Amino acid sequence: EAGVAQSPRYKIIEKRQSVAFWCNPISGHATLYWYQQILGQGPKLLIQFQNNGVVDDSQLPKDRFSAERLKGVDSTLKIQPAKLEDSAVYLCASSLVLTQETQYFGPGTRLLVL
Amino acid sequence: SQQGEEDPQALSIQEGENATMNCSYKTSINNLQWYRQNSGRGLVHLILIRSNEREKHSGRLRVTLDTSKKSSSLLITASRAADTASYFCATDGMGAQKLVFGQGTRLTINP
Repeated sequence: EAGVAQSPRYKIIEKRQSVAFWCNPISGHATLYWYQQILGQGPKLLIQFQNNGVVDDSQLPKDRFSAERLKGVDSTLKIQPAKLEDSAVYLCASSLVLTQETQYFGPGTRLLVL
Repeated sequence: SQQGEEDPQALSIQEGENATMNCSYKTSINNLQWYRQNSGRGLVHLILIRSNEREKHSGRLRVTLDTSKKSSSLLITASRAADTASYFCATDGMGAQKLVFGQGTRLTINP
């Protein structure tokens, strides 16, 4: 069974530029999560989808971050414009159903904003 | 906000010794999970313990949960160099429908 795929693995941009991350969850997983992990901290949930609907985006900075999961499968997370404090690893995870059972994580995208 | 707080923040032991990490949380939970993260990688699920369970084992891992003290511990027995990683607890709060991760414990196993 293929795992959660993410791309790109690394990205370096200058502040005020835009960037997009892509995630393809495990086949059949209805729930998809985007986390932000700042160096030395635990992952922080940004947004959670159930199929193509948003379940929780309470910690998503909506003035600059957006995410979509149009067909209920893969998802994109966008930052526009980026700030220095957005430097972090962006992790995508998926789970079978919305019951907070095991989440399966992708390798993450490491973003550096200069 | 971080629900779980791990203790210690960093732990360094010799190969073969046991490693114990603790997690405290603030609100009532449905379950508590432990994840491992190797440097530069995504998180890997280790074990899930439900609020009505007190102890759970998986291979060299033993997890305990004390809901009266709102705390959990992860014990890794007979540690190996490959156990070097960061370990995170994550709580599924009642009514929250999402996992909240702690800050993690960085474990180093010295050969």
